[in-house]
Amino acid sequence: AQSVAQPEDQVNVAEGNPLTVKCTYSVSGNPYLFWYVQYPNRGLQFLLKYITGDNLVKGSYGFEAEFNKSQTSFHLKKPSALVSDSALYFCAVRDSDTGGFKTIFGAGTRLFVKA
Amino acid sequence: DSGVTQTPKHLITATGQRVTLRCSPRSGDLSVYWYQQSLDQGLQFLIQYYNGEERAKGNILERFSAQQFPDLHSELNLSSLELGDSALYFCASSVYGDEQFFGPGTRLTVL
Repeated sequence: AQSVAQPEDQVNVAEGNPLTVKCTYSVSGNPYLFWYVQYPNRGLQFLLKYITGDNLVKGSYGFEAEFNKSQTSFHLKKPSALVSDSALYFCAVRDSDTGGFKTIFGAGTRLFVKA
Repeated sequence: DSGVTQTPKHLITATGQRVTLRCSPRSGDLSVYWYQQSLDQGLQFLIQYYNGEERAKGNILERFSAQQFPDLHSELNLSSLELGDSALYFCASSVYGDEQFFGPGTRLTVL
């Protein structure tokens, strides 16, 4: 069965510092991996995805993520955090080998960026 | 604006009642997904439709049902409502199985 783990409920960083939000996954086939961000009282917004190819994926708003197959991880990173990056971040996995597109989301990590 | 619309924005109803949530996907998207977001359960995948056909099912209760119509809009029907069904219900759409675009959600309160 598919699963996603975001081991940190909350990450605190200072503005201008690099940030990392962690995600590990488990799927039976090849993973399709996604990061989404949710601002208060809003729906989720797509940030980036990994399907195949380069292990370093670049996405919206300066975010990037590194796919590591041996560690089954897909950590979200940004070189320099902004206060406006404060939000709830979700990692998600879709198993490419199933007939449908069941997508499992992690529990979410709340990012606080302090000025 | 994601291009996905959901109605109504808020819904307040009583236990035992039945409600219908509606979703219109982005133009051109054939896949529609439904999710339930609650404080204790996080974001739970309920069901996915592709071009009118059910393709994947998650932890959707038997009291809940959904369908996707020929014009690709979708409805989620929730019946015999319980207090625990109070949550934010999101619809999302995608072209196929790639990144999803989420609507603003329907906040359901069951009293």
